[in-house]
Amino acid sequence: QKEVEQNSGPLSVPEGAIASLNCTYSDRGSQSFFWYRQYSGKSPELIMSIYSNGDKEDGRFTAQLNKASQYVSLLIRDSQPSDSATYLCAVNGAKGSARQLTFGSGTQLTVLP
Amino acid sequence: DGGITQSPKYLFRKEGQNVTLSCEQNLNHDAMYWYRQDPGQGLRLIYYSQIVNDFQKGDIAEGYSVSREKKESFPLTVTSAQKNPTAFYLCASSVDREAFFGQGTRLTVV
Repeated sequence: QKEVEQNSGPLSVPEGAIASLNCTYSDRGSQSFFWYRQYSGKSPELIMSIYSNGDKEDGRFTAQLNKASQYVSLLIRDSQPSDSATYLCAVNGAKGSARQLTFGSGTQLTVLP
Repeated sequence: DGGITQSPKYLFRKEGQNVTLSCEQNLNHDAMYWYRQDPGQGLRLIYYSQIVNDFQKGDIAEGYSVSREKKESFPLTVTSAQKNPTAFYLCASSVDREAFFGQGTRLTVV
């Protein structure tokens, strides 16, 4: 059983639309949740972190966490072609150190001009 | 500029050879990690080190070795015992709970 699951996509949205990326996790004791953006052939870049239930906004990005449902999502408003990338969800286990990071396999997003 | 530097960017290995991937950071982070990424898959942890002169196996350590003689450096050796080494290798370091990555090394067996 996968510990962190993401829809692999590809997910296509038109420019200017809202892109919604979803992630579920199996470890109910998880405490920290991250979204990384990875362009093709490049390394992952941390774009959002969220630690408590609710929403966290940073520019065009909003992370949403629902621990009861074991669900974390990333919304990208006013999507741009430059947002086209693979988005990796990462979850920290109960011990809370980066050692416990578990990654999903990623969702490929394409923003169409 | 603070950051994590991996070298080389591309590496070719003949079967039966050991190769070493370099990872250097000037962020003063205590913890460092090595991950492997295969196409269409997430990152899998190979080794990690929380302090100098100490390191622990991750989920897929077989066929790999590391050292941590300096805080800034965490080299990874891919040994001949690793039967399927072709992959994208990522080094990371962390402060508190957030991990940051180097640019990666793409290793290919020829």
